[in-house]
Amino acid sequence: ETGVTQTPRHLVMGMTNKKSLKCEQHLGHNAMYWYKQSAKKPLELMFVYNFKEQTENNSVPSRFSPECPNSSHLFLHLHTLQPEDSALYLCASSQAMGLAYEQYFGPGTRLTVT
Amino acid sequence: RKEVEQDPGPFNVPEGATVAFNCTYSNSASQSFFWYRQDCRKEPKLLMSVYSSGNEDGRFTAQLNRASQYISLLIRDSKLSDSATYLCVVNGRSGGGATNKLIFGTGTLLAVQP
Repeated sequence: ETGVTQTPRHLVMGMTNKKSLKCEQHLGHNAMYWYKQSAKKPLELMFVYNFKEQTENNSVPSRFSPECPNSSHLFLHLHTLQPEDSALYLCASSQAMGLAYEQYFGPGTRLTVT
Repeated sequence: RKEVEQDPGPFNVPEGATVAFNCTYSNSASQSFFWYRQDCRKEPKLLMSVYSSGNEDGRFTAQLNRASQYISLLIRDSKLSDSATYLCVVNGRSGGGATNKLIFGTGTLLAVQP
């Protein structure tokens, strides 16, 4: 399936490293999202972009920095992370921001912070 | 109170059984409702939307009770391949703004036994 792709699929990084997660959607959608999924917790919305403009930052620490250069690409830049940031990071897209639009998820990046 | 609450399970059922999952949500202004399915170490995928009048898709039936703020999913004639985590998802406006925000439950784990 190639609707929403994410790279890398797995990432191990130290607390002083800088890395970036990449998401690309091939569905012609206009809205893109970053979610965090930790064990035993529900998916947490982190950021929302609509037509490349950020419309939501869900009180995410500044060590996570999103970037959306166009409607098809979304990045999450990571720096000085903490071990509790270890989680599955999921990207999603939807046709638009209407309430009834389905969100399509990428396979996720499993991040481990050591 | 959690925004979306589900019984985490696990539900262990034999093949062919009928199983029902329940979900409650706290925001009476919520407007769209979904069931997503998430296989182990995979991304969530939309199983079905939930409509006010109730809807059926093959062996799956979803129902919504707005007065009680309650959503259900019924699976008939369970298959081994139905084993997954079922996520109750509610869509609503974020903070009175225009953001399309999905709020996820923690999920209910279903294990169908041969």
